[in-house]
Amino acid sequence: DSGVTQTPKHLITATGQRVTLRCSPRSGDLSVYWYQQSLDQGLQFLIQYYNGEERAKGNILERFSAQQFPDLHSELNLSSLELGDSALYFCASSVVPESRTGNTIYFGEGSWLTVV
Amino acid sequence: AQSVSQHNHHVILSEAASLELGCNYSYGGTVNLFWYVQYPGQHLQLLLKYFSGDPLVKGIKGFEAEFIKSKFSFNLRKPSVQWSDTAEYFCAVRGSGGYQKVTFGTGTKLQVIP
Repeated sequence: DSGVTQTPKHLITATGQRVTLRCSPRSGDLSVYWYQQSLDQGLQFLIQYYNGEERAKGNILERFSAQQFPDLHSELNLSSLELGDSALYFCASSVVPESRTGNTIYFGEGSWLTVV
Repeated sequence: AQSVSQHNHHVILSEAASLELGCNYSYGGTVNLFWYVQYPGQHLQLLLKYFSGDPLVKGIKGFEAEFIKSKFSFNLRKPSVQWSDTAEYFCAVRGSGGYQKVTFGTGTKLQVIP
C-alpha cells in the first residue's frame, strides 16, 4: 500500500459525459501529480500541484482540469469525454522538499476509465 | 525539454535468463533517475532510484541499475529472472531540486516464460 488513495477504481461512462477522479495523497505529501496511461501512448504526465497551486503542466487536454484543495486532496475533472479518453489515470504524491535532495514519488492504484 | 527513451517495448525471456532493459534520457542538468514496475493488475511500485553517489544502484527483488552519465543511460539489470518478474517496467527522469516534474518512458513489457 503506497498510501495514495484514488477513487473510483473503475468507471464506465458514455461519450460526452463528465467525470471526476479523486486522489488523496500520502500523509505529509504536499505535491500531487496526475498521469494518464493509455495503451498507445504509454504513461503521460498531465499536471502537478504543490500545496494547492499548479506547478507543472504536461499533455493535459483543454477538456481536462484539475485542482488541489486545502486539505491537499486533488480532483481531476474530465469533460466531453471521447472514446480515446479511455485509460488508467494515476495519481501520485511526493513531499517535494525545498532542498535539492531528491524525493520519491508514490503512486496510487489508478482509476480505470472506460468511455463507451 | 526532458525526455526518456525505452527502446525495448516487449521482451520475452526464459526463467534464469539475464535481463537488461535500456533507458536513455535527455535533460540539460543534474537528474534523479527511477525505475518503476507495474505487476499485472497492480499499481506502479518503485524498484530503485538514483540521486547521487555510487552510480550502481541496487533495488528490490535483485534488480540493479547503472547510471552512466556520459551515455545518458540508466539501464536496469537482473542476473536471473523469475516468472514473477513478468510485469511492465518504466524508467523515469526528473531534474534534481524541488518542483520538478517526472518524465516517464513508455514502458517495457517483460514476459518471463517458465
